[in-house]
Amino acid sequence: GDSVTQMEGPVTLSEEAFLTINCTYTATGYPSLFWYVQYPGEGLQLLLKATKADDKGSNKGFEATYRKETTSFHLEKGSVQVSDSAVYFCALMEYGNKLVFGAGTILRVKS
Amino acid sequence: DVKVTQSSRYLVKRTGEKVFLECVQDMDHENMFWYRQDPGLGLRLIYFSYDVKMKEKGDIPEGYSVSREKKERFSLILESASTNQTSMYLCASKSAYEQYFGPGTRLTVT
Repeated sequence: GDSVTQMEGPVTLSEEAFLTINCTYTATGYPSLFWYVQYPGEGLQLLLKATKADDKGSNKGFEATYRKETTSFHLEKGSVQVSDSAVYFCALMEYGNKLVFGAGTILRVKS
Repeated sequence: DVKVTQSSRYLVKRTGEKVFLECVQDMDHENMFWYRQDPGLGLRLIYFSYDVKMKEKGDIPEGYSVSREKKERFSLILESASTNQTSMYLCASKSAYEQYFGPGTRLTVT
């Protein structure tokens, strides 16, 4: 079945550091790919998405590019802030309405 | 603004109790979902519903049931709570392109 693998955390960075969170997927077809973010005490919010190969999703300074050849959708940000501290989930949607999530990566940003 | 609300943020129940978790959305969405979130496992789908009175099992339905009597409300039921059901429960509803999540209910079963 479909699956998503994310790098394990927690990831701890200093403010203004460069962020990469790796995400790879396994799917039989051509899924849509998503990054969700969960701030402390809150539900999940959609951060960005890409629906086909080579699409780049971007939002709030975060970017991720849909790479079909490497089945990857890595999340990047050039300069993180303390307010970016959260849990980040990579997910895919292939058929119908169901999302398949990775295990989540905790990001901690120190000032 | 999109809104998904869940009846409780924190809940403590005893083993064997019947537990109801309620979710309400105000966006007239047809599709609604219940997930549980556990550290290191991400979110796992318990049940989903694509219309009133329609439901389908997700990946981990054992020990749970659901009810969708009205479009805006989707309830998760633990018929006889057990300690291994201690978890964070998240409800979501779906537009054409995106799932919107509620704030979650942290359930502890003692």
